[in-house]
Amino acid sequence: KNEVEQSPQNLTAQEGEFITINCSYSVGISALHWLQQHPGGGIVSLFMLSSGKKKHGRLIATINIQEKHSSLHITASHPRDSAVYICAVNVGSFQGGKLIFGQGTELSVKP
Amino acid sequence: DSGVTQTPKHLITATGQRVTLRCSPRSGDLSVYWYQQSLDQGLQFLIQYYNGEERAKGNILERFSAQQFPDLHSELNLSSLELGDSALYFCASSPQSAGQETQYFGPGTRLLVL
Repeated sequence: KNEVEQSPQNLTAQEGEFITINCSYSVGISALHWLQQHPGGGIVSLFMLSSGKKKHGRLIATINIQEKHSSLHITASHPRDSAVYICAVNVGSFQGGKLIFGQGTELSVKP
Repeated sequence: DSGVTQTPKHLITATGQRVTLRCSPRSGDLSVYWYQQSLDQGLQFLIQYYNGEERAKGNILERFSAQQFPDLHSELNLSSLELGDSALYFCASSPQSAGQETQYFGPGTRLLVL
C-alpha cells in the first residue's frame, strides 16, 4: 500500500463545476503539499499545509491531521485548470525536505 | 518561472553511457532536491543537498550520484544507463532544509535512453 493515496485518479468536469481531490496518508508528516503539473511537464507548488485551511484564488486546500487526510477544492472550474494534481508529504522535519508523492489526479475540465 | 534552472531540457543517449544533469537553485536557496518521474513509478525523491552536504537520500541507485558545489548549483550524474532510466528528472530548491518549506521546481530534464 502506498504511503500517500489520492482519489480519484482521473476526473472529468464541466466548466464551472466544483471539484474535490482527496489525499490520505499513512505516515507522520511535518507538512503536506499540493502540486500542479501541466501537460508540458512543469511542476508548480500550489499549497503547503501543516494545519487548517488555505485559500488562493479559486483554490482551497484543507488538512485534518488527526484523520491524516487533505482535500484540494477548485471552485468555478475552468479548462485552464486541466492538469495533474499531486499530493506530497514531508516525512518529518528531521529528514530534511524529502517528499513522498501520491500518484496524482488527472483533471480535465471541458468547456 | 520558479527561478530554478535545469540543463539540458532534453537528452537522448544510449545504454551504457553516462550523463550529467545540471541544476541552479533560486537565488538564496541552500537546499537542492532531485526527483525522478517515470511512467510506471511516478515521482520519486532521489537525494537532497543542503549547503554542499548530503542531507537526505531516497531511492537513488548506486549508478547515480550527485553533488552540490560551493556556488550551490548541483549536478546529478547517471552512469551505465539502462532503458529503465528514461524519465523526467526534476530538481527543486528551498531556502533551508526544514520539513515545512515550499519547494520550487525546475522545468525538468527529459532523458531518453535508447
